[in-house]
Amino acid sequence: AQSVSQHNHHVILSEAASLELGCNYSYGGTVNLFWYVQYPGQHLQLLLKYFSGDPLVKGIKGFEAEFIKSKFSFNLRKPSVQWSDTAEYFCAVNALINTGTASKLTFGTGTRLQVTL
Amino acid sequence: ETGVTQSPTHLIKTRGQQVTLRCSSQSGHNTVSWYQQALGQGPQFIFQYYREEENGRGNFPPRFSGLQFPNYSSELNVNALELDDSALYLCASSFLGTEQFFGPGTRLTVL
Repeated sequence: AQSVSQHNHHVILSEAASLELGCNYSYGGTVNLFWYVQYPGQHLQLLLKYFSGDPLVKGIKGFEAEFIKSKFSFNLRKPSVQWSDTAEYFCAVNALINTGTASKLTFGTGTRLQVTL
Repeated sequence: ETGVTQSPTHLIKTRGQQVTLRCSSQSGHNTVSWYQQALGQGPQFIFQYYREEENGRGNFPPRFSGLQFPNYSSELNVNALELDDSALYLCASSFLGTEQFFGPGTRLTVL
């Protein structure tokens, strides 16, 4: 069964600092990878996704992530964080199950990012 | 384009009761997935519906059941509620189950 590990549970950064959140997954087959963000009081929103092709993917709000297949990693980065980036960040892997037409997202436990002024 | 909507927003039940949560898919989507998010955890996959049939299930007991309707909306039913069922229940819709778009969730409290 697939699993996702997020190493940082709570990260505190000052505005303009650089961000890197770690994500490692365990799955033997082809995967699609995602980062979701959950702002306080809001629903889960897709930040970026990797299906295939260029392993460096760019998402919304200046976020990017790099897929390193050999390390089973999909780390999230942002060169300069803003106070408005304060949120919970979830890494997820999407893998086919059962008949091959169903798929499920397996999430990590999340990283709470707090950006201070 | 209307996003995924869920109702109700909040719900309080007591142990042993039954609950029904509802979800309307985003326009153009034909697959609905349900997730349970306990406090401080990532969402856990409950099941997925496609063409009005359950099309994949996570590690949840049979008292968690669902329906998908011809308009692709969906219901999640939980029987014999337990205290541990207290969580945020998320619905996500997609086209054939790949990129999933989430609703705001229903916060269920079981007393």
